[in-house]
Amino acid sequence: DAKTTQPPSMDCAEGRAANLPCNHSTISGNEYVYWYRQIHSQGPQYIIHGLKNNETNEMASLIITEDRKSSTLILPHATLRDTAVYYCIVRAFGSSNTGKLIFGQGTTLQVKP
Amino acid sequence: GAGVSQSPSNKVTEKGKDVELRCDPISGHTALYWYRQSLGQGLEFLIYFQGNSAPDKSGLPSDRFSAERTGGSVSTLTIQRTQQEDSAVYLCASSLDSRTGINEQFFGPGTRLTVL
Repeated sequence: DAKTTQPPSMDCAEGRAANLPCNHSTISGNEYVYWYRQIHSQGPQYIIHGLKNNETNEMASLIITEDRKSSTLILPHATLRDTAVYYCIVRAFGSSNTGKLIFGQGTTLQVKP
Repeated sequence: GAGVSQSPSNKVTEKGKDVELRCDPISGHTALYWYRQSLGQGLEFLIYFQGNSAPDKSGLPSDRFSAERTGGSVSTLTIQRTQQEDSAVYLCASSLDSRTGINEQFFGPGTRLTVL
């Protein structure tokens, strides 16, 4: 699975959009971009995933560049409860893949009042 | 519905003792994963089950670690002769069949293991 690079930390004002970048320059054609987050003392929580098109759900939006070498997770109106470590993960799917997640160090997002 | 549950939530043991950690996945989830998170370390994969079989054990750090899954449901992670470096939060996750779809993993709250 491709490696990802994320900034170690970011701050965001409450109510503003949080934009979390991720670089995955070695991504392969069959690999998806996944985002999870881990709030303090809890297990990771799935947020969103995408292949090449932009995706949106009730939690966030995912913008993937045309060359797929980077992506941005957008939390449109960050709240204090969004303070967490955000993990960008790239992985392939298929009968030969186990689906295991390889976590990097992630980005610690601090939402401030 | 019920999520992934793990027990115990906390476990303190003495060096050299054996411990068993339990995971109850979401009903109907055939894939089950164990991860651990050490202080200052990221989350690392330990083992993957599909049904009762473990096709990927590549993350188990030593032969003191083993895991089993019975009835395609409950899984137990066993650590023999615990060492202080085994202290960590052990997380379990489950999902629908990971081979047939892009299925998200649901994580349990974890078991915090402290080896004195």
